[in-house]
Amino acid sequence: GQNIDQPTEMTATEGAIVQINCTYQTSGFNGLFWYQQHAGEAPTFLSYNVLDGLEEKGRFSSFLSRSKGYSYLLLKELQMKDSASYLCAVVYNNNDMRFGAGTRLTVKP
Amino acid sequence: DSGVTQTPKHLITATGQRVTLRCSPRSGDLSVYWYQQSLDQGLQFLIQYYNGEERAKGNILERFSAQQFPDLHSELNLSSLELGDSALYFCASSAGASSGNTIYFGEGSWLTVV
Repeated sequence: GQNIDQPTEMTATEGAIVQINCTYQTSGFNGLFWYQQHAGEAPTFLSYNVLDGLEEKGRFSSFLSRSKGYSYLLLKELQMKDSASYLCAVVYNNNDMRFGAGTRLTVKP
Repeated sequence: DSGVTQTPKHLITATGQRVTLRCSPRSGDLSVYWYQQSLDQGLQFLIQYYNGEERAKGNILERFSAQQFPDLHSELNLSSLELGDSALYFCASSAGASSGNTIYFGEGSWLTVV
């Protein structure tokens, strides 16, 4: 199988920093995506990592360690609108994208 | 707007019936993906087509089938519907067939089976 594990729920305060972790099975790995999904809406692309290291894009950053089968999404200066589910998706064997169950983030004032 | 169009947006049907969900990918995208998302569940990959041919298959039931047509639009056919098939069905598209191609999601089709 290709288990992709993320915490089910997280809560953070407006203006703070939150890190959402994702672990996955490494066999056949070809890349990792993070998507944001507001309830009842389509997932929207946030980031893509295929090499080890940190990719920064504004308030959001994503990190990958291929040897450890580990990634995280870092959200800085949290805003209320960041309350959403964050989906970790791994591409296996070059064309098979599998999603984790998602992490539901609640940002409180 | 991702550029991926799905119809219908909402559909209510009875158990045992058959429905067809339609998807038009972004202009120029050759790959189409279908995902199922049940209430409080993650996205479950169903199937992928690339340029008209099946490319990858996930947890798609035998009662479900899909195809991609020469104009690259795709249809997902769901038959002998059960209550548990109620879900949000997403279509997504990407330029290519392989990793590194960001996939873009449509707004989804809400299916309710009663």
